Amino acid sequence: DAKTTQPPSMDCAEGRAANLPCNHSTISGNEYVYWYRQIHSQGPQYIIHGLKNNETNEMASLIITEDRKSSTLILPHATLRDTAVYYCIVPDNFGNEKLTFGTGTRLTIIP
Amino acid sequence: GAGVSQSPSNKVTEKGKDVELRCDPISGHTALYWYRQRLGQGLEFLIYFQGNSAPDKSGLPSDRFSAERTGESVSTLTIQRTQQEDSAVYLCASSDRHRSYNSPLHFGNGTRLTVT
Repeated sequence: DAKTTQPPSMDCAEGRAANLPCNHSTISGNEYVYWYRQIHSQGPQYIIHGLKNNETNEMASLIITEDRKSSTLILPHATLRDTAVYYCIVPDNFGNEKLTFGTGTRLTIIP
Repeated sequence: GAGVSQSPSNKVTEKGKDVELRCDPISGHTALYWYRQRLGQGLEFLIYFQGNSAPDKSGLPSDRFSAERTGESVSTLTIQRTQQEDSAVYLCASSDRHRSYNSPLHFGNGTRLTVT
């Protein structure tokens, strides 16, 4: 898997947009960027994924830079339930059999 | 629809005993994965099943660990002669790779194994 770098922790005020950055400078042409999150005592939850265009779903938006070396996950109106560890993952071209989950970003939503 | 189901949710066992952990994937998902997560750490890949292909066992930490899957349904992870270092949350995930190569993984809530 391409190596990803995320800040270890971030805080965000409730109701504000949470912007979580991820660097993946070694990403290659047709590798997707995936985001998952893990709320305490639960299994990881898929959020969103994208290749080169920006993506949006009911949970979040994903902004990928034109050179694809970094991306930002945006939670538009953070709630206390968004407090979790967020993982940015770039599986290799041969599929996502061995998704490598690093330590992610621990996002804390402040009331 | 129902998500990935794992049982038991918690298991306490004595060192040296064997344990079996069960995973029911989402119906129709062809791919099934097992991960291990030690306290405060990231996910560690264990094994991957895809349809009728030979499983990728490259993440199994020792020969005390094995896993089986019946067709495209239930999977069982077995740990023989458990050691205290096996204490962790064991997570199962499934995905619909038959539909799309890039289908995301859907995880269960795991089995918390404690070896005393």
